[in-house]
Amino acid sequence: QVTLKESGPGILQPSQTLSLTCTFSGFSLSTYGMGVGWIRQPSGKGLEWLANIWWDDDKYYNPSLKNRLTISKDTSNNQAFLKITNVDTADTATYYCARITTEGGDAWGQGASVTVSS
Amino acid sequence: DIVMTQGALPNPVPSGESVSITCRSSKSLLYSDGKTYLNWYLQRPGQSPQLLIYWMSTRASGVSDRFSGSGSGTDFTLKISGVEAEDVGVYYCQQGLEFPYTFGAGTKLELK
Repeated sequence: QVTLKESGPGILQPSQTLSLTCTFSGFSLSTYGMGVGWIRQPSGKGLEWLANIWWDDDKYYNPSLKNRLTISKDTSNNQAFLKITNVDTADTATYYCARITTEGGDAWGQGASVTVSS
Repeated sequence: DIVMTQGALPNPVPSGESVSITCRSSKSLLYSDGKTYLNWYLQRPGQSPQLLIYWMSTRASGVSDRFSGSGSGTDFTLKISGVEAEDVGVYYCQQGLEFPYTFGAGTKLELK
């Protein structure tokens, strides 16, 4: 059974760095074809795909966030990470991680709510 | 970025009726491997999105056969045969052809 769980700070102030952790089980990020993606959703709005990291450490970032994103992984501990620098109120959202393959995001975490407020 | 445009449903929908949700992409999602990289998700109220259909027409594991996907390179349809209470939520199409992956704005299904 594949499970993922996101964790984060909950609340942070503008200009700070948001650090998110995705802890997963049921698959390995060292297995060919496996990846983890980060997706966010402001309250009551749609989904925005932020970044992917693959089994071979290939990484993709959404250019709309203009170099503010860093994705990484710790294969031995079954974790993936996302950092977003210089946050502002527009980054307030629920952040999801998902297992991804060429078949899409077939397993998602429950989401971590993040509020940016002064 | 590839733009995904979804159609609306004539909500609320009577239980047992069949409905179709449309999605259009600004670029063909047909890849050279013969697969069309279009996925459908359902987000039930208060829950995370759940994968329903991948590669335009392949049902994900455990998904009811009441859900079916079809289309061409740029025009896609998700059909739900016999809507049930558990189908209520927002449906999203998503292209997985090139990064950044992009979603449609979502189509809400409400039951009468």
